[in-house]
Amino acid sequence: GENVEQHPSTLSVQEGDSAVIKCTYSDSASNYFPWYKQELGKRPQLIIDIRSNVGEKKDQRIAVTLNKTAKHFSLHITETQPEDSAVYFCAATRYNTDKLIFGTGTRLQVFP
Amino acid sequence: GAGVSQTPSNKVTEKGKYVELRCDPISGHTALYWYRQSLGQGPEFLIYFQGTGAADDSGLPNDRFFAVRPEGSVSTLKIQRTERGDSAVYLCASSIQGGNEQFFGPGTRLTVL
Repeated sequence: GENVEQHPSTLSVQEGDSAVIKCTYSDSASNYFPWYKQELGKRPQLIIDIRSNVGEKKDQRIAVTLNKTAKHFSLHITETQPEDSAVYFCAATRYNTDKLIFGTGTRLQVFP
Repeated sequence: GAGVSQTPSNKVTEKGKYVELRCDPISGHTALYWYRQSLGQGPEFLIYFQGTGAADDSGLPNDRFFAVRPEGSVSTLKIQRTERGDSAVYLCASSIQGGNEQFFGPGTRLTVL
C-alpha cells in the first residue's frame, strides 16, 4: 500500500523567511496530493492541493511542487508570519473519493 | 453552510466499556471517512463510506471497531471492549461524490482509563 514520508518533523524560521516541507510517496498510481494545516486542538484544514497532471500550483504565499518521476512533492511558504505556526501534513491518494494516506507532520514555528 | 460536526467532543471511558462516536457530514456529501489521530501523528485511515455502504474498511484495527451509516448521512463509529490503546482523536471527514477535497470535523477525543 501507499506510504508517505515527511521531513522535517520540526522547522523553526524567522518571520519573513521561507519554509519548505518535503514529502515522498511510494505508490506511483497516486494522483492527488493535498496539504493540511492543523492548529493545536483544531481540525485539519486544506490549504492547497495538486493533481498529478500539474507540476506546480501557487496560492498567494503558498506553493506546492510535484515531481512524479521522483515521487516527491513539497510545500513552500514565503514571507512567513507568526500565524503560519502550526502542524502541516502532506497526504496522497490514488483515486477521486478515496482514503488519504498522511505523512507524520511537520511542526512549523515562526518566530517574530 | 455548516461544516462537518462530531459529537461528543470529548469522551472519557473505562477500559472494557462500549463507546459510540457520531459524525454529521456536510449536507449532500456522499462520501464519509473515519480517521484516527494519535498524539504527534498524522491521521490514520479507518473506514470509508460511499452512501450507506462501507466501500473500504481496511483500516479498522480489529473486530472491536465497527461503523455504520444507515441512511447515507450520519455515521456512528462503535468501539467495543475499549482498551487504553484506543485513546486518540477520532476524526471524521466528508467529500462530494467524485471529489478529492475532504473536509474534516473537529474530532472526538477519546480517553480510555
